[in-house]
Amino acid sequence: DGGITQSPKYLFRKEGQNVTLSCEQNLNHDAMYWYRQDPGQGLRLIYYSQIVNDFQKGDIAEGYSVSREKKESFPLTVTSAQKNPTAFYLCASSATGGGTEAFFGQGTRLTVV
Amino acid sequence: GENVEQHPSTLSVQEGDSAVIKCTYSDSASNYFPWYKQELGKRPQLIIDIRSNVGEKKDQRIAVTLNKTAKHFSLHITETQPEDSAVYFCAASRGGSQGNLIFGKGTKLSVKP
Repeated sequence: DGGITQSPKYLFRKEGQNVTLSCEQNLNHDAMYWYRQDPGQGLRLIYYSQIVNDFQKGDIAEGYSVSREKKESFPLTVTSAQKNPTAFYLCASSATGGGTEAFFGQGTRLTVV
Repeated sequence: GENVEQHPSTLSVQEGDSAVIKCTYSDSASNYFPWYKQELGKRPQLIIDIRSNVGEKKDQRIAVTLNKTAKHFSLHITETQPEDSAVYFCAASRGGSQGNLIFGKGTKLSVKP
């Protein structure tokens, strides 16, 4: 379904803990993205990667980190430095060089308890 | 910075009526404008997109128009049905990167039977 998989679907974290969200795609897309969605807000870009071993900060990168060691995988770590981490996190991928849509994973809902 | 403004934030129509959602963007380099539909708790799904070399695009009951000079684009849904009820997001590409999108804050569309 869509070729891009996020896990887990729901995640609970204690304050002060780091947590890693998984994103895997089998669409052979070069570009991958992480967005955060809060109620009443659009999607805000956290990090993106256009190619393996390279990534760029988005609009709200503080408190987050990523890696892109493989083309298929783009995990997001929510660190203890992120002050308000409770949100719905969406991963997306797209082909570069033009002409296709961004495909989204089903999302991970992170709750800090 | 770049942003996308979307209006209205909520829209309620009677089944069979038309619905129009409008967006404006600020990045002159944007060249790709997708519209996503998101049902509660699910991933955004692309419903239609338009590129900057086209002024209008239709797909059955859905159409999008683009005015590059004015930097605005609109989604038109005709003959609305209850299953059209969802949150709709417009987005604009950040320069030429079609997956690196700036999203509007969304419009919650309710279609009353």
